[in-house]
Amino acid sequence: DAKTTQPPSMDCAEGRAANLPCNHSTISGNEYVYWYRQIHSQGPQYIIHGLKNNETNEMASLIITEDRKSSTLILPHATLRDTAVYYCIVRVRTGGGNKLTFGTGTQLKVEL
Amino acid sequence: GAVVSQHPSRVICKSGTSVKIECRSLDFQATTMFWYRQFPKQSLMLMATSNEGSKATYEQGVEKDKFLINHASLTLSTLTVTSAHPEDSSFYICSALKGGGTDTQYFGPGTRLTVL
Repeated sequence: DAKTTQPPSMDCAEGRAANLPCNHSTISGNEYVYWYRQIHSQGPQYIIHGLKNNETNEMASLIITEDRKSSTLILPHATLRDTAVYYCIVRVRTGGGNKLTFGTGTQLKVEL
Repeated sequence: GAVVSQHPSRVICKSGTSVKIECRSLDFQATTMFWYRQFPKQSLMLMATSNEGSKATYEQGVEKDKFLINHASLTLSTLTVTSAHPEDSSFYICSALKGGGTDTQYFGPGTRLTVL
């Protein structure tokens, strides 16, 4: 699976949009971009995934660049409860054992 | 939905004892489940892949005789830490793969193991 690069930490004011970047310059054509987050002392929570089109659900939006070498997770109105470590993971959707390889992620801190 | 539970959420045991952790997919069937371990201030590390009806596949460096995995049904996988020692103290997290086109892993809340 392709490696990803994320900033180690980011701050965001409550109510503002949080934009979390991820670089995956070696992504292959059949690899998807998945986002998870982990609130302290809890299991990771699935957020969203996409292949090449932008995706939106009730939690967030995922913007993937046209060349697919990078993506941005957008939390439109961040709240204190969005404080967590956010993981960007690239993997083949099926096969390959369906494994997820977690990097170090981005620690997002939402403040008043 | 896709809800995964783990039991217990927290366990403290004496060195040398065995501890069993259960992972259940509550509202979907999962032929594949995964077990991860997370040490403080570190990321999740995959320990093994659990497949219903077959032997688990362990990642390099994980002792299969120490971490016994049983995937007895489409909704239950168990991890048994045998002869636990203080260095086995960690946060153990399972996930279940929801197929049917999504192929997305959903995670349990984790189990905090402390070995005295």
